[in-house]
Formats: sequence, C-alpha cells, structure tokens
Amino acid sequence: ELKVEQNPLFLSMQEGKNYTIYCNYSTTSDRLYWYRQDPGKSLESLFVLLSNGAVKQEGRLMASLDTKARLSTLHITAAVHDLSATYFCAVDMGDNFGNEKLTFGTGTRLTIIP
Amino acid sequence: GAGVSQSPRYKVAKRGQDVALRCDPISGHVSLFWYQQALGQGPEFLTYFQNEAQLDKSGLPSDRFFAERPEGSVSTLKIQRTQQEDSAVYLCASSLGTQNNSPLHFGNGTRLTVT
Repeated sequence: ELKVEQNPLFLSMQEGKNYTIYCNYSTTSDRLYWYRQDPGKSLESLFVLLSNGAVKQEGRLMASLDTKARLSTLHITAAVHDLSATYFCAVDMGDNFGNEKLTFGTGTRLTIIP
Repeated sequence: GAGVSQSPRYKVAKRGQDVALRCDPISGHVSLFWYQQALGQGPEFLTYFQNEAQLDKSGLPSDRFFAERPEGSVSTLKIQRTQQEDSAVYLCASSLGTQNNSPLHFGNGTRLTVT
C-alpha cells in the first residue's frame, strides 16, 4: 500500500523567511503533484513533476522530485502572507489508461506571520 | 471558463437517510474522480470514471456508496443509510485523461454532515 508522508504537518513562519516542506512516499512512482488548499476551498494545482530531477518554479515556490529517494520538496522563498494555506503532495499510482489515481499526503498547514 | 461544479455545497442528513451529491465536470474532460476528505486530512480516492465507464471503485468504503456517470458527463455519488462516519467533504475532480501529466481540476466539494 502506498504511503505518502509530509513533514512538517504544521509550519508557522515569519514573512521574508525561507523554508522547505518535505514529501516522502513509499513505492516507485515518477509522477508527483503539489496542490494548495485554502480554508473551505478546493484544491488548486501548483506543480506537476514527471521525472527524476524535475524542478519547477512559480513565484516564491519551487518544487523538486527525486524518484530514487522517493522524495519531493516544496521550497518557499521569502514568504509572504498570501502563501498561508495547506499544501498537499500527491503521488500518482494510476494505470496506463490515464487513471490519475492520486494518493495524497496529510498536508502541511502553513501560516505566515507578519 | 467554468470549472468543476458540485452541488449542494452543504448537506446535513440525519443518520439513516440517503443522499445524492452531484458533480458537473469541465466540459470535454474524459476522466472524473470522487475523493473523500475528512477534517484535517488529505483527500482519499473513492472512484474513477473514464467517460461513462467506472474503471476503479476500489476506494468506496462500503456497499452503501454508489457512483454513476451514465452519459459520460455529470456524475452522482449516492450514499445510502448514511452513518456519522460518512461526515466529510466529498470532492469531485476531472481531467482531460488523454495525457498522464494533466493535473486534476477539483470542485469546491460538498460538505456532508450526518447527525
């Protein structure tokens, strides 16, 4: 059974600081996704990582994937308040017929303090 | 363009009642998924459709849960004889499905509370 673990579960950080969220998973996969969820809202896709060594950046967020270590990271640079949200990683264990069956981590609740 | 639309937004049911949750996916999206998200947890896979075919229902927690997508567009998740443990947010997601790198687009969910 695939397990996806995120670390930390809760993160409170000051504006302007840098931090990294970690996502470990237990079985082989080369497709990993990062989503953001605001309270009471749906999940918004942030990054799609499709191969070992993939790195993607959008604004103050950068995601990377190491399939050999079964590890993905989400790095936050110079945090600002509007990045406060819960961040989920999700691993795709789907089949070859396009079933993007995702297993989600438990999420990291990020709070940016002014 | 319109995103994934779910209704109702909130549903309160008494224990033992049946409920039906609706999902309108993005037009043209072949794949449709239902996920269950308990409070403070990540979403958990329930079932998957490719057009009208239900290809994977391995995540449905019991035979009280039933999903359909008869015309390959709108989908309904039905829960019979609701129990308190069914209380959660039910998320619908759709994707193009033709490429394995397309992200899922999620709806805002239906928050079900069973009293």
